[in-house]
Amino acid sequence: AQSVTQLGSHVSVSEGALVLLRCNYSSSVPPYLFWYVQYPNQGLQLLLKYTTGATLVKGINGFEAEFKKSETSFHLTKPSAHMSDAAEYFCAVRGDTGRRALTFGSGTRLQVQP
Amino acid sequence: ETGVTQSPTHLIKTRGQQVTLRCSSQSGHNTVSWYQQALGQGPQFIFQYYREEENGRGNFPPRFSGLQFPNYSSELNVNALELDDSALYLCASSLKNEKLFFGSGTQLSVL
Repeated sequence: AQSVTQLGSHVSVSEGALVLLRCNYSSSVPPYLFWYVQYPNQGLQLLLKYTTGATLVKGINGFEAEFKKSETSFHLTKPSAHMSDAAEYFCAVRGDTGRRALTFGSGTRLQVQP
Repeated sequence: ETGVTQSPTHLIKTRGQQVTLRCSSQSGHNTVSWYQQALGQGPQFIFQYYREEENGRGNFPPRFSGLQFPNYSSELNVNALELDDSALYLCASSLKNEKLFFGSGTQLSVL
């Protein structure tokens, strides 16, 4: 079984500041990890994913995440926030490849202040 | 635009009724997954279909059922609606285990 915990349901940053969204996971098998973004009244868009290999993963829109097995974490970062980054962000894990389902965290709403 | 379309976009039903939600997959995708997203929560996996067969199911009761058609479009059916079924229902298509492409969802309100 797998689970995801996103610390902080709401995060507010100033435009140009560092964005850090936290995600911790639990998985009984080597995990595949994902970050998705959801804009109002839209579906989910994949930002980045970790499967195997390099632990620092770069995604779209300047986001990146680092897989840390020892900390069971997969935090999402962006060096400089932009107003357009305001959205809901979801971390997800797929640990059982036979089931092929994603288990999502409860989400973090990112606000970007001018 | 992901190429995944869902209909209708909004729906209002009363408790006890039945509802059918539809999803048109992205061209060439043979796998479709359905997720339920309650207000303020992350999506929860309902089930997945691969080449017209159910290929995995989450913790949802049997009154949640689905179909996948030969053109890989899909339906989600919910019988005996309950108030807690009010949610955004998301469909995602993919090529087997590859990247999921999500539709914009159907917002279901049960009164």
